[in-house]
Amino acid sequence: GQQVMQIPQYQHVQEGEDFTTYCNSSTTLSNIQWYKQRPGGHPVFLIQLVKSGEVKKQKRLTFQFGEAKKNSSLHITATQTTDVGTYFCAGSPGGYNKLIFGAGTRLAVHP
Amino acid sequence: DSGVTQTPKHLITATGQRVTLRCSPRSGDLSVYWYQQSLDQGLQFLIQYYNGEERAKGNILERFSAQQFPDLHSELNLSSLELGDSALYFCASSPPGPGGYGYTFGSGTRLTVV
Repeated sequence: GQQVMQIPQYQHVQEGEDFTTYCNSSTTLSNIQWYKQRPGGHPVFLIQLVKSGEVKKQKRLTFQFGEAKKNSSLHITATQTTDVGTYFCAGSPGGYNKLIFGAGTRLAVHP
Repeated sequence: DSGVTQTPKHLITATGQRVTLRCSPRSGDLSVYWYQQSLDQGLQFLIQYYNGEERAKGNILERFSAQQFPDLHSELNLSSLELGDSALYFCASSPPGPGGYGYTFGSGTRLTVV
């Protein structure tokens, strides 16, 4: 079945450093979504990428979708303590299919 | 408040028992999804319903079942509970259409089996 792999599993950074998490699918995706889950919270939708090679930015966050639509990345510039949480990518092969979530990358930011 | 309501927030029960988790989707959303999140683990897809019909199944155990009612709320039934079923169970909903919309998650039900 479809798998979505995400690395790294954990990342510890000093406040102000950059952070990147990578997502790779075993199959071509129609779209990829990113979610953030704060400690003790629920996943919150951040963004959706649909087009091959698409790049979207949200303030200090940059999201990319690979040309082959099988991989994606999330890059955070100059991390802040408010960025702490687990970042999940989630892919869908399309149509009404459910989202398959990656295992997530837990980000810790040290002040 | 995300608009997706899950009850109860916490549930403690004994092994062998049966529980029902409830989810009310965001207004206008027709799809409901159930996910299981064990401690420090990712989100494991269990099952999806769309407008009352089962749409997709994931790694859902035979001891687990779900349904979506005409008013679109959904229930996840867990029976013959085992210690390993202890987890956070999330419900999410999404708008109608061919897909590609972000999910709105509820706050989850934390199930502890003792």
